[in-house]
Amino acid sequence: KNEVEQSPQNLTAQEEEFITINCSYSVGISALHWLQQHPGGGIVSLFMLSSGKKKHGRLIATINIQEKHSSLHITASHPRDSAVYICAVLDSNYQLIWGAGTKLIIKP
Amino acid sequence: DARVTQTPRHKVTEMGQEVTMRCQPILGHNTVFWYRQTMMQGLELLAYFRNRAPLDDSGMPKDRFSAEMPDATLATLKIQPSEPRDSAVYFCASGLIVDGGVSLTDTQYFGPGTRLTVL
Repeated sequence: KNEVEQSPQNLTAQEEEFITINCSYSVGISALHWLQQHPGGGIVSLFMLSSGKKKHGRLIATINIQEKHSSLHITASHPRDSAVYICAVLDSNYQLIWGAGTKLIIKP
Repeated sequence: DARVTQTPRHKVTEMGQEVTMRCQPILGHNTVFWYRQTMMQGLELLAYFRNRAPLDDSGMPKDRFSAEMPDATLATLKIQPSEPRDSAVYFCASGLIVDGGVSLTDTQYFGPGTRLTVL
């Protein structure tokens, strides 16, 4: 079993839909990252969480430490949001453990 | 496949010692970022370079930290003297910025990080 699991693996939605991507982990963590990987391969850091909730524009990230679960939400999705979204956790040994990613396609 | 490399991956040192971390950006990228991640502060931007020139190092403690790009294939981050509070994971990222100034939302390719422990 992977230490960081994301769901769904693939998601296709229509423009304006509310999107949720989930991340569950099984190790003790000091922080959790949500990152976005563009079709060209580059990775952008979206959020770093250790508790609670963060919001940036149309993106919202939440984390529940007790349940070892985090969600990334996108409101009013747009085709430019199409990308791979990656959950990565920094464990207590400061090792960065990457999830497999969720491939999101937003259709106009 | 092209990727950002960092060395060393792990470093344990004693307080007062000099620490040098190295980063090899992806060939052809013109911008290099140094980040530090700690439990307390999260992910902090320390400095970034474009075309080897420092654009912003305001996030870096100047008295002990220095960042350089001796050439286009190597970026270094030095701490002298190191202190226990410097213990963190240091990430290097590179990108190809083609328009005007640098936005932190521009695509950045992250290296695997250097885990530094200062005793």
